[in-house]
Amino acid sequence: QKEVEQNSGPLSVPEGAIASLNCTYSDRGSQSFFWYRQYSGKSPELIMFIYSNGDKEDGRFTAQLNKASQYVSLLIRDSQPSDSATYLCAVSISGNTPLVFGKGTRLSVIA
Amino acid sequence: GAGVSQTPSNKVTEKGKYVELRCDPISGHTALYWYRQSLGQGPEFLIYFQGTGAADDSGLPNDRFFAVRPEGSVSTLKIQRTERGDSAVYLCASSLQGTNTGELFFGEGSRLTVL
Repeated sequence: QKEVEQNSGPLSVPEGAIASLNCTYSDRGSQSFFWYRQYSGKSPELIMFIYSNGDKEDGRFTAQLNKASQYVSLLIRDSQPSDSATYLCAVSISGNTPLVFGKGTRLSVIA
Repeated sequence: GAGVSQTPSNKVTEKGKYVELRCDPISGHTALYWYRQSLGQGPEFLIYFQGTGAADDSGLPNDRFFAVRPEGSVSTLKIQRTERGDSAVYLCASSLQGTNTGELFFGEGSRLTVL
């Protein structure tokens, strides 16, 4: 059974700090990894994807992947109150298989 | 509009009734997905269409759930003999092709409440 695990939070960080969100997955054959952001009452939107081991940076966001440890993380630098949302980790076995989502981690950035 | 459109946005029904939820994907997107999301949970996969055919329906919980996409565009999720446990937000998403980039474009969802 494919599982994606996330700490549900809430994770509270002060404005300007680094928020670190973590995710583990059970299927060692997973190939693609995604972070979606979901504001309360809204639908998920993609913020980053990563395929290879290592770091991938996009603005204030950095995704980190360690396939040996089956671990993927998202770092948000200079956190802003507008970053307060639920962050969903999603994993895909291949390009034609549906994404499997974790429960999400609720992030609260305190001004 | 340019996004994924779902109707109705809210549906309240009684236990045992039949419900249809509609999804109109982004024009030109061949892949269409149905997920459902309960409070405090992540989206749970139901079914995936590539064109008109269901490429993967392994997430449908039982035979009360059925989905169609007859012309490869609009899709309808059909739920027979609704139960209180079916209450959730039903999310539709589309992508240009498969999930190669993982960029699923989600609609705003249809909130189903079964009394």
